[in-house]
Amino acid sequence: AQKITQTQPGMFVQEKEAVTLDCTYDTSDPSYGLFWYKQPSSGEMIFLIYQGSYDQQNATEGRYSLNFQKARKSANLVISASQLGDSAMYFCAMSLVGGYQKVTFGTGTKLQVIP
Amino acid sequence: DTAVSQTPKYLVTQMGNDKSIKCEQNLGHDTMYWYKQDSKKFLKIMFSYNNKELIINETVPNRFSPKSPDKAHLNLHINSLELGDSAVYFCASSQDRGLIRATTAYEQYFGPGTRLTVT
Repeated sequence: AQKITQTQPGMFVQEKEAVTLDCTYDTSDPSYGLFWYKQPSSGEMIFLIYQGSYDQQNATEGRYSLNFQKARKSANLVISASQLGDSAMYFCAMSLVGGYQKVTFGTGTKLQVIP
Repeated sequence: DTAVSQTPKYLVTQMGNDKSIKCEQNLGHDTMYWYKQDSKKFLKIMFSYNNKELIINETVPNRFSPKSPDKAHLNLHINSLELGDSAVYFCASSQDRGLIRATTAYEQYFGPGTRLTVT
């Protein structure tokens, strides 16, 4: 069974600084995908970034990048130049590849950006 | 132009009642899901459908019954509501076609959520 661990229940970051949100995962399957989602206080879930287990390079999407360290089974989200609108819950998730697979979510990290 | 929509956004009802939540996606996706998010923000899958066929059914009480009239719609009906059913329910969809030789997992697109309060 897959497991996602987010050990930071809450974090603060100064506006315009970078922040790293931690995520570790556990699976014995070699084919999987890792996701990050953002949930602002308004409640919607917004997909941010994806990393496949065989991807050679770390995924990037604008100010978001995923620091993928396969041997350590970590998939940390890095947000550069934090903005006030980045204040939200952030969820790490994973899914195996092939067939119909469940997505397993972590418990989330609440990020607050301070002006 | 909303990609995944849910109605209603808020639902307040009494214990013992029966209620439904509707979900529609206009993304052309094959697979749809229902998730429950509890008060601690933990998100857990309940059901998944592909082309109207049930493919994932977690250990959910049988008071919860999903129905998919077509691949763009997935509704959730809840019988005999209990206090513990109070949560936010999210519908989602993805391109996942369940291919054994797939090379990627697919992100899910979520609806805005339905906040269910049972009193």
